[in-house]
Amino acid sequence: DGGITQSPKYLFRKEGQNVTLSCEQNLNHDAMYWYRQDPGQGLRLIYYSQIVNDFQKGDIAEGYSVSREKKESFPLTVTSAQKNPTAFYLCASRTGNTGELFFGEGSRLTVL
Amino acid sequence: DQQVKQNSPSLSVQEGRISILNCDYTNSMFDYFLWYKKYPAEGPTFLISISSIKDKNEDGRFTVFLNKSAKHLSLHIVPSQPGDSAVYFCAASAGGSGGSNYKLTFGKGTLLTVNP
Repeated sequence: DGGITQSPKYLFRKEGQNVTLSCEQNLNHDAMYWYRQDPGQGLRLIYYSQIVNDFQKGDIAEGYSVSREKKESFPLTVTSAQKNPTAFYLCASRTGNTGELFFGEGSRLTVL
Repeated sequence: DQQVKQNSPSLSVQEGRISILNCDYTNSMFDYFLWYKKYPAEGPTFLISISSIKDKNEDGRFTVFLNKSAKHLSLHIVPSQPGDSAVYFCAASAGGSGGSNYKLTFGKGTLLTVNP
């Protein structure tokens, strides 16, 4: 079945370490997004990409990096520069024809 | 500055009654609005959307109303069922339902609890 796969679902890291969250989609969607959810904060946009080899910063891009080398993949790296990395991270994708985003199951990152 | 506001963190209703979730926005460039439903530790799922050229959109038990002059939209669920218990997010975009710079801005969410 088509969908968006995020891995790992749970991740623990020590402070100061970089970590990369995987997001893969087989929906043939052009656009992909990374959001972060914190308790009581809703979803905040980190980065998004409308096409391969191109991406834009969202509202809270500091301390994060992304790449879009393939249409299917949009990995997010949480760097040591991110001051509060513990959060629930959501990847989403969208076809160019409609406005709704399809979300993955999320990855919960806990920095110890 | 929060551009999409859901001022009620939680709402509790009885099974079979109507649930009304509210959302306000401040950015007058927003012209496409969506509602998502989210269970804990899962990704949000799309429920219903509305374009600014309409003031109502209906899909089964879910109806979204848009009042552009008040910059307000609401989601009505009738009748409410226990399985509707979840966090509901309002989202908005500028530039319609597409475009090269399309992105969604989300509210903080409202936790709906439907009691049997």
